[in-house]
Amino acid sequence: NAGVMQNPRHLVRRRGQEARLRCSPMKGHSHVYWYRQLPEEGLKFMVYLQKENIIDESGMPKERFSAEFPKEGPSILRIQQVVRGDSAAYFCASSPSAGGKKTQYFGPGTRLLVL
Amino acid sequence: DQQVKQNSPSLSVQEGRISILNCDYTNSMFDYFLWYKKYPAEGPTFLISISSIKDKNEDGRFTVFLNKSAKHLSLHIVPSQPGDSAVYFCAASAISNAGNMLTFGGGTRLMVKP
Repeated sequence: NAGVMQNPRHLVRRRGQEARLRCSPMKGHSHVYWYRQLPEEGLKFMVYLQKENIIDESGMPKERFSAEFPKEGPSILRIQQVVRGDSAAYFCASSPSAGGKKTQYFGPGTRLLVL
Repeated sequence: DQQVKQNSPSLSVQEGRISILNCDYTNSMFDYFLWYKKYPAEGPTFLISISSIKDKNEDGRFTVFLNKSAKHLSLHIVPSQPGDSAVYFCAASAISNAGNMLTFGGGTRLMVKP
């Protein structure tokens, strides 16, 4: 029973390039969350998606960042025109539902380094 | 405005003794609390959770206590083992959140010495 999968695990980009981070939730989970962790800090919520819908993007910067969770395939977090401040670990989590037990299970993360 | 705080950035404990990690929160709407353990270069691993209708939840060596009046929770690990050395995050969610997003504390680095 595979857990949450993320790829790539490490991503190096130069300033101005685009970064695409992918997340496949646990089997049976239809809710995906993206979090960002800056060095020496806790995780910060970015966006919550269900299949084909963005439910809450209140933690995501308004510019350059976008997320999707298509009907088929993984969830994608896209960062356009990356800057050095985007260097961080990006974690995806999934849960089976939004109600009741709300435990989220995390993937291994993608470590983005912007040169 | 940090709604979840872990005031101790690090904690060192001898193997076999009890580890107590603390967490304070300010948002009275939080109704579900979780502890995650994180090793370097890995994602957070879920440890234990507690609903606001309870004041204690136990799972093996891990016990979480919730004091709603003080807006405080703690994680007890007993006995502590060297493999418990990691960063521990507490997290909280509120029933009012449409998506149950988690608000995390800054983490406490636990070192268990053999």
